[in-house]
Amino acid sequence: DAGITQSPRHKVTETGTPVTLRCHQTENHRYMYWYRQDPGHGLRLIHYSYGVKDTDKGEVSDGYSVSRSKTEDFLLTLESATSSQTSVYFCAISEIQPTEAFFGQGTRLTVV
Amino acid sequence: AQSVTQLGSHVSVSEGALVLLRCNYSSSVPPYLFWYVQYPNQGLQLLLKYTSAATLVKGINGFEAEFKKSETSFHLTKPSAHMSDAAEYFCAVRPMNRDDKIIFGKGTRLHILP
Repeated sequence: DAGITQSPRHKVTETGTPVTLRCHQTENHRYMYWYRQDPGHGLRLIHYSYGVKDTDKGEVSDGYSVSRSKTEDFLLTLESATSSQTSVYFCAISEIQPTEAFFGQGTRLTVV
Repeated sequence: AQSVTQLGSHVSVSEGALVLLRCNYSSSVPPYLFWYVQYPNQGLQLLLKYTSAATLVKGINGFEAEFKKSETSFHLTKPSAHMSDAAEYFCAVRPMNRDDKIIFGKGTRLHILP
């Protein structure tokens, strides 16, 4: 398995609180991604990074921010969690094309 | 903008029957294409990928897919379904001309009937 660690693996939080999810890689891959998975929607890209301090928005970026201060870490922050952000969040990494993305085990986030 | 359409959110086949999962893409330039599988409560695992070397791609677990540019398709097939193939399958696209987004389809859940 690719060296990708997501933390925490499970989290329950209250509406309105900030939440940060962490993705750590040991592969030194250039690209890192955050996806959310919801029934009927598949995987939707939230944000991605193509280098340290280089990030861009995906298709469902509202309410989320990211930071990448080191190659190995990619943080996803929900500034003020809402119930609609209850989901399973996956981190992925990739090298330059044509390589595929390698996925972490996911973080199940519940906002109550 | 690139996109992926997977026809059929659920597909049921009998054990031993042909598996066919459909994927069509939309991209301004020819993309790289991938199929992933997800077993319950797990992450995604790569089944196979198209990187322009050959249009018929063989993957793990007996799966294969054929890239058809004229049809903008990359359908996944397996000649004989096994019970262990029951899972969710995702098609994904990454454009060749830029090193950025990998976009996924909505997924197809494959059910295997005994």
